[in-house]
Amino acid sequence: GAVVSQHPSWVICKSGTSVKIECRSLDFQATTMFWYRQFPKQSLMLMATSNEGSKATYEQGVEKDKFLINHASLTLSTLTVTSAHPEDSSFYICSVTEEAGAYTDTQYFGPGTRLTVL
Amino acid sequence: AQSVTQLDSQVPVFEEAPVELRCNYSSSVSVYLFWYVQYPNQGLQLLLKYLSGSTLVKGINGFEAEFNKSQTSFHLRKPSVHISDTAEYFCAVADFGNEKLTFGTGTRLTIIP
Repeated sequence: GAVVSQHPSWVICKSGTSVKIECRSLDFQATTMFWYRQFPKQSLMLMATSNEGSKATYEQGVEKDKFLINHASLTLSTLTVTSAHPEDSSFYICSVTEEAGAYTDTQYFGPGTRLTVL
Repeated sequence: AQSVTQLDSQVPVFEEAPVELRCNYSSSVSVYLFWYVQYPNQGLQLLLKYLSGSTLVKGINGFEAEFNKSQTSFHLRKPSVHISDTAEYFCAVADFGNEKLTFGTGTRLTIIP
C-alpha cells in the first residue's frame, strides 16, 4: 500500500498562534486527500476533503476560515489551524486515495499529528 | 444519519486464543463496511472491506468478518491471535450514495503472552 507521512508528529503551541500540518504521499499520486480529527476516546471525524488543484470541501460544522487546507500538488496537502485555542487540541490524521471523490476506494492513512494548544 | 458502535473499548486475549471484536452500525440505506487496524505510531491500515457479494469477508493477517444485515453487525474474528496483533481496531461504515467513512471509537486489542 501507499506510504503517507505527516509532519510534525506532535506540536505544542500557545493559544492564538497558527500551526501548519503537512501530509505527504510518498510513493504515489494522491488525487484526493482527507483530513480527520480524533478526540480522546472518540472516533475519527472527517473534517474536509481536498482534490488537487481545487478548493477543499468542508464537513458541516467545520470552520473553513479556521482550518485552512491547501492541496497544491499530488503529493502534498497542508492543514493550517489558524489562531489555535485549547479546544483545537486533538489528533489530526490525513488519508489519501488515488481516485477523485472515491471515498470507498482504499484510503491510506498517515500516522497522525497530535496538537496541544496551551 | 449513520453511526457505528464498538462496544468494547479494550479486549485482552491470551496468545493463540480466538478473538471477536464487535461492531454494530445504524443506517437507513445500504452500506459498505470496513475494518482498519492501527499499530502503535503508525497510520490506519485496511484489514478488510465488504462492498457486496459474500457476507463473509477475509482480510489480511488471518482476520475475517461477517456482514449480518438483520443484526446490522460486522464483527471481526480471528481463530488464533498472535502477539503482533496487538493494536487498535476501527470499524467504519459508508452509505451508498454518501460514501464518506464514519468510524467507530475503536477497540484496543491486547494479546497476553
